[in-house]
Amino acid sequence: NAGVMQNPRHLVRRRGQEARLRCSPMKGHSHVYWYRQLPEEGLKFMVYLQKENIIDESGMPKERFSAEFPKEGPSILRIQQVVRGDSAAYFCASSPLDSSGELFFGEGSRLTVL
Amino acid sequence: KNEVEQSPQNLTAQEGEFITINCSYSVGISALHWLQQHPGGGIVSLFMLSSGKKKHGRLIATINIQEKHSSLHITASHPRDSAVYICAVVRRGYQLTFGKGTKLSVIP
Repeated sequence: NAGVMQNPRHLVRRRGQEARLRCSPMKGHSHVYWYRQLPEEGLKFMVYLQKENIIDESGMPKERFSAEFPKEGPSILRIQQVVRGDSAAYFCASSPLDSSGELFFGEGSRLTVL
Repeated sequence: KNEVEQSPQNLTAQEGEFITINCSYSVGISALHWLQQHPGGGIVSLFMLSSGKKKHGRLIATINIQEKHSSLHITASHPRDSAVYICAVVRRGYQLTFGKGTKLSVIP
């Protein structure tokens, strides 16, 4: 049973480009969470999704960031018109239920904006 | 003041030593996670607990809900235990609030 798969592991973008980060949850998991880890800072919650639904996006910046978890395929975190401050590690986690249960994290996607 | 505080921020230990990392929080929670992050690597959930104590191998985690405090202990520490250990509390059923982590270095 593969774990949470994130890709790409490393992504380099120039300012103004778009970044797409993908997360495939563990098999049987229907809840996906995205977190951001800025350099020298702790992890911060961004968004919680279930299949085809955004449950809570209170941690997402209001502009340029969006997330989806379609019926088929991975969850995608999309950052439009990236800026240097978007450089961070983005982690995805999944669970079969909500976070009252076990959480399984991916290896993270490290975005560098030049 | 952060809602989740960890101490110490950095910890260096000799191989074989007993290690304790502390986590204090100021909000109501339903559970607490201890996570491990290796440099440049992913995050592994070590424990999730809502009361009492859990043990897995050389790792022990305890929580005191009344005192809003949790500890992670590592017995007979080993260089491969070198990592950042992160405390995260569960609020609102699914939202995690994270501490800033404790960077542990175990020297042979």
